[in-house]
Amino acid sequence: AQSVSQHNHHVILSEAASLELGCNYSYGGTVNLFWYVQYPGQHLQLLLKYFSGDPLVKGIKGFEAEFIKSKFSFNLRKPSVQWSDTAEYFCAVNLNQAGTALIFGKGTTLSVSS
Amino acid sequence: GAVVSQHPSWVICKSGTSVKIECRSLDFQATTMFWYRQFPKQSLMLMATSNEGSKATYEQGVEKDKFLINHASLTLSTLTVTSAHPEDSSFYICSASGTGTNYGYTFGSGTRLTVV
Repeated sequence: AQSVSQHNHHVILSEAASLELGCNYSYGGTVNLFWYVQYPGQHLQLLLKYFSGDPLVKGIKGFEAEFIKSKFSFNLRKPSVQWSDTAEYFCAVNLNQAGTALIFGKGTTLSVSS
Repeated sequence: GAVVSQHPSWVICKSGTSVKIECRSLDFQATTMFWYRQFPKQSLMLMATSNEGSKATYEQGVEKDKFLINHASLTLSTLTVTSAHPEDSSFYICSASGTGTNYGYTFGSGTRLTVV
């Protein structure tokens, strides 16, 4: 069965620091990869997704992620975080087939101090 | 863009009663809907997948007689928590996929269920 591992449970950074959140998945087939953000009290929002093509994916709000197939990884990065980036971040994966569910990692809480 | 409306946003019910949660796709046809459960400070756990007009497929460990899912139309899916107990208290989130989302996923805003 597919699974998604997020290694960092809680990350604390100061504003302007660089961010990298790890995500690994276990599935040998073709997958689609996603990063979602959940701000306090709000619903999930898609940051970026990878289906195919350029393994470096740029998303909203200055986030990017790199798909490294050999490492089964899809790490999220941002060069300079802001206080408003404080949120819960979820990595998710699904099979490359229409109608298959997203499987989520356990999430990483990011706290940014101003 | 694709929008999913989920109602109610929060509900408190007495133990032993049933609660229905609705998930509507407002501007696209949701051929597939997914129901998740999220405990505080934890991830979203997939409960079931439903395709319009078909019976839902439940994940292992999810009681299908307790969590009744109906997906009778391309714009509406419902989750009914039957004979609710305090341990059913959680955050329930629906997600829809289909034409209009380019087979991506659109999430509802979630329902906070508290069983007292």
